[in-house]
Amino acid sequence: QKEVEQNSGPLSVPEGAIASLNCTYSDRGSQSFFWYRQYSGKSPELIMFIYSNGDKEDGRFTAQLNKASQYVSLLIRDSQPSDSATYLCAPQKDYKLSFGAGTTVTVRA
Amino acid sequence: EPEVTQTPSHQVTQMGQEVILRCVPISNHLYFYWYRQILGQKVEFLVSFYNNEISEKSEIFDDQFSVERPDGSNFTLKIRSTKLEDSAMYFCASSGWGRISYEQYFGPGTRLTVT
Repeated sequence: QKEVEQNSGPLSVPEGAIASLNCTYSDRGSQSFFWYRQYSGKSPELIMFIYSNGDKEDGRFTAQLNKASQYVSLLIRDSQPSDSATYLCAPQKDYKLSFGAGTTVTVRA
Repeated sequence: EPEVTQTPSHQVTQMGQEVILRCVPISNHLYFYWYRQILGQKVEFLVSFYNNEISEKSEIFDDQFSVERPDGSNFTLKIRSTKLEDSAMYFCASSGWGRISYEQYFGPGTRLTVT
C-alpha cells in the first residue's frame, strides 16, 4: 500500500466548475495535511492545510479531513484556467511531509 | 513577501564530483528541509534540520549527503560523490512555528544534472 495515494488524473474540468481532488494516507500518526500546487517545472506552492476533522475554507478552496477514514480532499470552486496544475497532497508527521504523486488538473476555457 | 531562495538554479556536474547546493531560508524560520524530485516522480523528503542538527532523515540521505548551516542565513546540502541517479530537482524549504502545524515554504529549486 502506498503511503499517500491520490486519484489518478488527469482531471479535466470546464471553467467555472468544481474540481474535486481526493487523497488517502496510510500513517495514522499523521498530524496535519497540506495541499500544494505545482506548475510544470516549478516548485510546490502551498495552497492550504488542515489538521482537524471537518471542512476548512480559504477563498475558492475547501479542504476536508476525515481521520477515521484516513481521507483528505480538496475542492476548487469556480475553476479558472490558472488553476491548471498538479495538486499534491502531503500529510505531515513531526516535521516530514510525505507527498503523493499528485493529480493533474486541466481547466478548459 | 519573504521567500526561500536557492542557488544555483541549474548545476551540471560529472559523476564522482562533489556539489554544494545553497539555500537562504525565510529569515525568521527555525526549521529547514531538503526535498528532491526526480523527473516525473513524486517529491521525496531528504532531511530536516533544527537547532544546528539533523532532526530527521530519510533512507535516501546516506553518508554521501550532508547538511550545514554555515552562518546565520545559509543552509547547504552537500553531495560528496555524485551518481547519475542523483540527477533531480532539489528543493529547500523552511518553516516557523505554526500552532500544531508547520507550514513549509519551498524555494524555486536547483536542477542537478549528473553526467
